[in-house]
Amino acid sequence: ILNVEQSPQSLHVQEGDSTNFTCSFPSSNFYALHWYRWETAKSPEALFVMTLNGDEKKKGRISATLNTKEGYSYLYIKGSQPEDSATYLCALGGNEKLTFGTGTRLTIIP
Amino acid sequence: DTAVSQTPKYLVTQMGNDKSIKCEQNLGHDTMYWYKQDSKKFLKIMFSYNNKELIINETVPNRFSPKSPDKAHLNLHINSLELGDSAVYFCASSPRTGGPYEQYFGPGTRLTVT
Repeated sequence: ILNVEQSPQSLHVQEGDSTNFTCSFPSSNFYALHWYRWETAKSPEALFVMTLNGDEKKKGRISATLNTKEGYSYLYIKGSQPEDSATYLCALGGNEKLTFGTGTRLTIIP
Repeated sequence: DTAVSQTPKYLVTQMGNDKSIKCEQNLGHDTMYWYKQDSKKFLKIMFSYNNKELIINETVPNRFSPKSPDKAHLNLHINSLELGDSAVYFCASSPRTGGPYEQYFGPGTRLTVT
């Protein structure tokens, strides 16, 4: 059973501040790492799919890095805005099967 | 236009009943999935279909039977519903196997078994 862990479980951040959180996973047999954003009452939405060690991806104020040798990925949000409030999920695996972490619930305080 | 749609959005039913949840995607994707969000908020894969063929069945009780009449549809039929089946069920799709490709999720169906 793959163990995908995310920390912290929840986070409150002042609007305008930057923040980051972690996804840890077994480094053996790595295939791909996905990040999703899940807003309340909506469905999960893909942010990034990362495959290469040292990969960095960016979408607006959100970016992610990947270290497959040590088994972690960081998600960064720069200058947090209220619309960033959501649960951020990482998931490990290939196309046929994703194993999700429990998520980091981010709340931006105006 | 909704990319991945599910019906119904809410389903309340009694133990022992049989119910179905429908999923449709208009993205032209080959691969579709069913996930269950359990009480601890984990999203867990249940089934994966590629071009109407089952490719993953994650030790789900055989009361759950997915059916894919064509590659745009993946329905989930549940027999003899139990209290523990109460959860939110999400359908998703991705372009094809052999990715990795991002998955597109439907809005979820909240099933409550009383």
